Amino acid sequence: DTGVSQNPRHKITKRGQNVTFRCDPISEHNRLYWYRQTLGQGPEFLTYFQNEAQLEKSRLLSDRFSAERPKGSFSTLEIQRTEQGDSAMYLCASSGDVAEKLFFGSGTQLSVL
Amino acid sequence: LAKTTQPISMDSYEGQEVNITCSHNNIATNDYITWYQQFPSQGPRFIIQGYKTKVTNEVASLFIPADRKSSTLSLPRVSLSDTAVYYCLVGGTGGGNKLTFGTGTQLKVEL
Repeated sequence: DTGVSQNPRHKITKRGQNVTFRCDPISEHNRLYWYRQTLGQGPEFLTYFQNEAQLEKSRLLSDRFSAERPKGSFSTLEIQRTEQGDSAMYLCASSGDVAEKLFFGSGTQLSVL
Repeated sequence: LAKTTQPISMDSYEGQEVNITCSHNNIATNDYITWYQQFPSQGPRFIIQGYKTKVTNEVASLFIPADRKSSTLSLPRVSLSDTAVYYCLVGGTGGGNKLTFGTGTQLKVEL
């Protein structure tokens, strides 16, 4: 399977705990995006990497959120001190062309109790 | 940022052609128009992309008028499995915040 892979698919955590999600993009893609989606809403942009450089970060992203993409390959998204409002589907997408055609993973569904 | 406006929902019957229009009045010169399909609990899936005029692939057609301020996704002969949310996205090189999703159009196909 050469698509975008996200792990885990589901994560249940207690409020205040830290969680980390992983995304493996399509291997030849140099652009990687993280989005968050809640029920009934479209995906909300969180951050964007071109290779290992984090080029854009949404102002909606609090300092509890951090993302990395070491060596320009896989990426991780960490949420510290989780809150119930962080419950959502976290989507990763990658792109390899200038027209920014996005290929999404299946997402990680986070539930904060 | 090129904001998009789509109908919230549409209903159709199997075998009919469905046209979903998206307005993007502030589209920039280097922006492409891309449509995605999303099923529950899955990530959006690329359907079709265009810059101007008409684009057709094996699943859909995309019509873009000369002023590029709107676009229409056309799904020929829909089936029950086409029931999904459809998103119109405008953006060009550089990515990031330009790739902003709206609330999409919920298409419901019935027998």
